[in-house]
Amino acid sequence: SQTIHQWPATLVQPVGSPLSLECTVEGTSNPNLYWYRQAAGRGLQLLFYSVGIGQISSEVPQNLSASRPQDRQFILSSKKLLLSDSGFYLCAWGTGGFETQYFGPGTRLLVL
Amino acid sequence: AQSVSQHNHHVILSEAASLELGCNYSYGGTVNLFWYVQYPGQHLQLLLKYFSGDPLVKGIKGFEAEFIKSKFSFNLRKPSVQWSDTAEYFCAVSSLSGTYNYIFGTGTRLKVLA
Repeated sequence: SQTIHQWPATLVQPVGSPLSLECTVEGTSNPNLYWYRQAAGRGLQLLFYSVGIGQISSEVPQNLSASRPQDRQFILSSKKLLLSDSGFYLCAWGTGGFETQYFGPGTRLLVL
Repeated sequence: AQSVSQHNHHVILSEAASLELGCNYSYGGTVNLFWYVQYPGQHLQLLLKYFSGDPLVKGIKGFEAEFIKSKFSFNLRKPSVQWSDTAEYFCAVSSLSGTYNYIFGTGTRLKVLA
């Protein structure tokens, strides 16, 4: 069966520090991968998606970037965190762009 | 631009009450429709989905949803809620033409009182 891992589970970082959140998927090949930010009362905001290694599409301009160095690895990064980057970050995978998505446990990021 | 609206942000019900959560979308083409649920402390997971066929779809734990194309709606229903249904519910829509579109609503927090 397929599983999706995210780490760390929680992270507290100072403003201006770098960020690296990792997501890995097991049990499937060539998945579509997604990064979302979930904010209370605002639902899920799609940040990035990837249909293959090295292929990243950004949905919103922001202080973050994403990379996909391996088929089942998706990384969310920032060179310098802002206060507004605080939130709950979810990684998801799917078999096709319009199909069901399967979510990881999320990372809660607090930028101080 | 495509959008998804969930009109109820917070709902509080007593056990055994009936539930209906509204979801409306704006897109004139062919869509896939989803309800996802996030129970406290758990991953966001699929509750049910509609791709084609019978517009009344049944999901896990006694939930169902009806796709009404003329109303651009996909409301979630359950005839009798339980305390364990306390969760946040998200409607989502994906479109099958043009650029990538997979949009989530803002979510509805349901609290069921025992």
